[in-house]
Amino acid sequence: EVQLLESGGGLVQPGGSLRLSCAASGFTFSSYAMSWVRQAPGKGLEWVSVISGSGGSTHYADSVKGRFNISRDNSTNTLYLQMHGLRAEDTAVYYCAKDGQRYIPTSVDYWGQGTLVTVSS
Amino acid sequence: QSALTQPASVSGSPGQSITISCTGTSSDVGRYNYVSWYQQHPGKAPKLMIYEVSKRPSGVSSRFSGSKSGNTASLTISGLQAEDEADYYCSSYTSRTTLVFGGGTKLTVL
Repeated sequence: EVQLLESGGGLVQPGGSLRLSCAASGFTFSSYAMSWVRQAPGKGLEWVSVISGSGGSTHYADSVKGRFNISRDNSTNTLYLQMHGLRAEDTAVYYCAKDGQRYIPTSVDYWGQGTLVTVSS
Repeated sequence: QSALTQPASVSGSPGQSITISCTGTSSDVGRYNYVSWYQQHPGKAPKLMIYEVSKRPSGVSSRFSGSKSGNTASLTISGLQAEDEADYYCSSYTSRTTLVFGGGTKLTVL
């Protein structure tokens, strides 16, 4: 059974940093691209970033480019999202998302339960 | 990276069929067969219902079907049931190697 368990969310001041983690199990982690998808309160889904199965390729939404960094550790089956320069508009539930393919973000076939990030003074 | 365009809401009675549209551009929906549809109930994580335009993951009811014509994809739900009431989102792979979602459609079962 595929399981994705996010952690690291919380309250952070504007301009601050936070690192999210996602522990994956139930599948061959290194064989699939992984994404982060967020959802602001009462709003729709917004794709944030993707990393290929090997970790050698990453892509970001324009809204987070230069502030967020996605990475993965295939030895521990863990996905990360390092967030810097946080803004109020980054407030959202952040979902860890498994893609159906290895290299590009085509479709999220499994989702974590999400972790809430709140950016506020 | 503009979001794909979906109607804000649709409704139907039990047993009826409804269709939700998802309009993109020639750089996403129109170029690739990587359109997906997700169902999200309140307070829950999304669930994949359709991938690669018209394929259903194991366990998803055959009442859900997908199609695409040009820059517009569609999700059809036949034989509406009360438990189908939820938010539905489409997504597409893009030429910028990103994923873009639609704004979401709230389905109400009358």
